[in-house]
Amino acid sequence: EPEVTQTPSHQVTQMGQEVILRCVPISNHLYFYWYRQILGQKVEFLVSFYNNEISEKSEIFDDQFSVERPDGSNFTLKIRSTKLEDSAMYFCASKGNQETQYFGPGTRLLVL
Amino acid sequence: GESVGLHLPTLSVQEGDNSIINCAYSNSASDYFIWYKQESGKGPQFIIDIRSNMDKRQGQRVTVLLNKTVKHLSLQIAATQPGDSAVYFCAEEMRGATNKLIFGTGTLLAVQP
Repeated sequence: EPEVTQTPSHQVTQMGQEVILRCVPISNHLYFYWYRQILGQKVEFLVSFYNNEISEKSEIFDDQFSVERPDGSNFTLKIRSTKLEDSAMYFCASKGNQETQYFGPGTRLLVL
Repeated sequence: GESVGLHLPTLSVQEGDNSIINCAYSNSASDYFIWYKQESGKGPQFIIDIRSNMDKRQGQRVTVLLNKTVKHLSLQIAATQPGDSAVYFCAEEMRGATNKLIFGTGTLLAVQP
């Protein structure tokens, strides 16, 4: 069964450093998303991406964040200068023509 | 404002019993709802969904009920098993160009053997 994959599973970084989180969505999907989940809290929408551009972003998704689909399979989230409060689980999701979004296993980001 | 919330943060049941997890939503314009299961350290896993033109949908051991009058959603799990122990989230899909999901706060289901 096709699934969304994410790398790395864990990432530890120093405050102010750049990180890139990678996702491989399900191959025939066209809609891509990033969500995050701070420990013990609910999952929050960050950004949606379709047709090679951002279709919506939340208030969390400020200028420090960017997304890219560099090739036909990867979808990345970049945080340019990490802050302590960026520590969270980051989930990628993808959706085809049906309505259901399927989530990856997540990347646990810890900013020190 | 828009919000999706859960009535019970923790639900403890005995193995073999039926579980009912509840969720309230506030956006009457939402027309698609999903239940996800999240095990520790993993991503949300799709369980079952329902459109607003339905009031009940059944899967394998799970049933979702939708009451649009009171904007209430529930997940029923029959014959709960230890493997059902997880956090359960309801999510509301916002119709539009992006179809982003708005998640509730989650209910921890603890199945006692």
